[in-house]
Amino acid sequence: DIQMTQSPSSLSASVGDRVTITCRASQSISSYLNWYQQKPGKAPKLLIYAASNLQSGVPSRFSGSGSGTDFTLTISSLPPEDFATYYCQQSYSSPLTFGGGTKVEIK
Amino acid sequence: EVQLLESGGGLVQPWGSLRLSCVASEFTFSTYAMSWVRQAPGKGLEWVSLISARGTSTYYADSVKGRFTISRDNSKNTVYLQMNSLRAEDTAVYYCAKSSSGYYDFDAFDVWGQGTMVTVS
Repeated sequence: DIQMTQSPSSLSASVGDRVTITCRASQSISSYLNWYQQKPGKAPKLLIYAASNLQSGVPSRFSGSGSGTDFTLTISSLPPEDFATYYCQQSYSSPLTFGGGTKVEIK
Repeated sequence: EVQLLESGGGLVQPWGSLRLSCVASEFTFSTYAMSWVRQAPGKGLEWVSLISARGTSTYYADSVKGRFTISRDNSKNTVYLQMNSLRAEDTAVYYCAKSSSGYYDFDAFDVWGQGTMVTVS
């Protein structure tokens, strides 16, 4: 099974900060990496698919990069509504696996 | 609006059974693979199972293999999760999710339901 490791598990940031979250796969997954945002009590929302492609309707402040085993999600300037938990997920092979999540909290 | 609506959750005793349903609307259901993803209280996301668009292929997490069965009825735009031999550790919100591509089974999940709570106690 492919293990997905996110770092950090949590971070404190201020409105307007640039935020970077890292996801590492235990083996190469090419670009089969997706990012989700989840707010409390809500279903996850797809932000980025195939490592760097912005899902329709998602603001351009979100961007993704990476391939192989190392990936990054960046929020260029954090607005209040982006305080949430973020998950990476590999869609390279079964079992499909998620990272443990990164909780972005208000500093 | 593209939508998924789950039902069937509830309280069940250990070793009991439950069947979840997820009804899809406003997209060509028979074209897309569908998954179940769960989230235990206060924990992260865990993929549970996936069924291909035509229902010919199914995949399971090791934690549920042999106990859960995914199926679909494309005439009813519905995907199911039959859960048997339930354990306390199966307690979670269960989401159904649509694969984003009509070409590949394994893909991002671009549409999610609101979730249904399953409590095993």
